[in-house]
Amino acid sequence: AQSVTQLDSQVPVFEEAPVELRCNYSSSVSVYLFWYVQYPNQGLQLLLKYLSGSTLVKGINGFEAEFNKSQTSFHLRKPSVHISDTAEYFCAVRGVGTGTASKLTFGTGTRLQVTL
Amino acid sequence: IAGITQAPTSQILAAGRRMTLRCTQDMRHNAMYWYRQDLGLGLRLIHYSNTAGTTGKGEVPDGYSVSRANTDDFPLTLASAVPSQTSVYFCASSDLSGGKNEQFFGPGTRLTVL
Repeated sequence: AQSVTQLDSQVPVFEEAPVELRCNYSSSVSVYLFWYVQYPNQGLQLLLKYLSGSTLVKGINGFEAEFNKSQTSFHLRKPSVHISDTAEYFCAVRGVGTGTASKLTFGTGTRLQVTL
Repeated sequence: IAGITQAPTSQILAAGRRMTLRCTQDMRHNAMYWYRQDLGLGLRLIHYSNTAGTTGKGEVPDGYSVSRANTDDFPLTLASAVPSQTSVYFCASSDLSGGKNEQFFGPGTRLTVL
């Protein structure tokens, strides 16, 4: 089984400042990792994913994340945020080779609040 | 229809009533999922289906049932609603072939059980 911990429930940041949203996972097998974004009153949208290969993954809207196997982390970063980045961000994990169930385990979410 | 649609958008329901939340996808994905989202708990998997005709239990299946008669539709039924089932429900789908792994989400159904 897998688990995900998002260490910050809320992250306030000023516009144009950099931001890092933290995600740590636990798994007894290799993993695939995902970040989703949820804008108010909407469903979840995939930001980026790590399946294999380069540990630095670039996604939409200028976001990137780095997979660190030794620290079991997959932190999300953006060098300069915009007001429009205000949203809830979810980290998710699924185990590799666990059959075709492809069940994702989500963290509890981090609310990014960008202000002027 | 483009992607995943859910109906209704929102619903207020008396406790004890039966309710079916509808989910339809037009991407011909083989796998579909139902999640509930509650403040501070993130998304929790209720039931899933890897292919038409098969279903499985997720993390919080009690009080819910699903069916998968065809590829496109995956309804979620609350046989006798209780206030603890007040939540936002999201349907999702994914293409399990080719290792794509990404799940696509619908807009959600906000359910209030009184």
